[in-house]
Amino acid sequence: GDSVTQMEGPVTLSEEAFLTINCTYTATGYPSLFWYVQYPGEGLQLLLKATKADDKGSNKGFEATYRKETTSFHLEKGSVQVSDSAVYFCALSDQTEKLVFGKGMKLTVNP
Amino acid sequence: SQTIHQWPATLVQPVGSPLSLECTVEGTSNPNLYWYRQAAGRGLQLLFYSVGIGQISSEVPQNLSASRPQDRQFILSSKKLLLSDSGFYLCAWSGDTEAFFGQGTRLTVV
Repeated sequence: GDSVTQMEGPVTLSEEAFLTINCTYTATGYPSLFWYVQYPGEGLQLLLKATKADDKGSNKGFEATYRKETTSFHLEKGSVQVSDSAVYFCALSDQTEKLVFGKGMKLTVNP
Repeated sequence: SQTIHQWPATLVQPVGSPLSLECTVEGTSNPNLYWYRQAAGRGLQLLFYSVGIGQISSEVPQNLSASRPQDRQFILSSKKLLLSDSGFYLCAWSGDTEAFFGQGTRLTVV
């Protein structure tokens, strides 16, 4: 079945450090890919998405590119801030519209 | 605009008691609806999803069941709770390419 594997944490970075969170997927067909973020004390919210191969999603300085050849959707940010501290989930939506999430990765950014 | 309501926010229940968590959606019709559980160290686990009234797909066999009596209502139930049912339960609905989540229910089974 469909699955998402993402880098597990927790991860602690200093402010202005470079961030990469790896995400790979297994799916039949051509799923849509997402990154969701859960800030402390809040519900999940969409960070960015890509619906087809080579699409790049971007938001709040974060980027991820849909790589069909490597079945990956790695999340990157050039310079993290304390306010980026959160749990990040990679997810896919397959053709049956079922949403599948990775395990999530907790990021803490220290000043 | 679309909104999703999930309640209660927190719940403490004894082992063996029944459970009913309710989720309703506003501002859309015929949404896909989901119940997830977020357990420490295990991430988000899909429990049930529904593409229409009365249509429920179960992803993980366990002590829980789900029902969709109306288009925008999704209910998570159990007849007898186990200690292992403790966790954070999230309801969600999805449109074409995006999902929206409720604020979650923290369930503690004691």
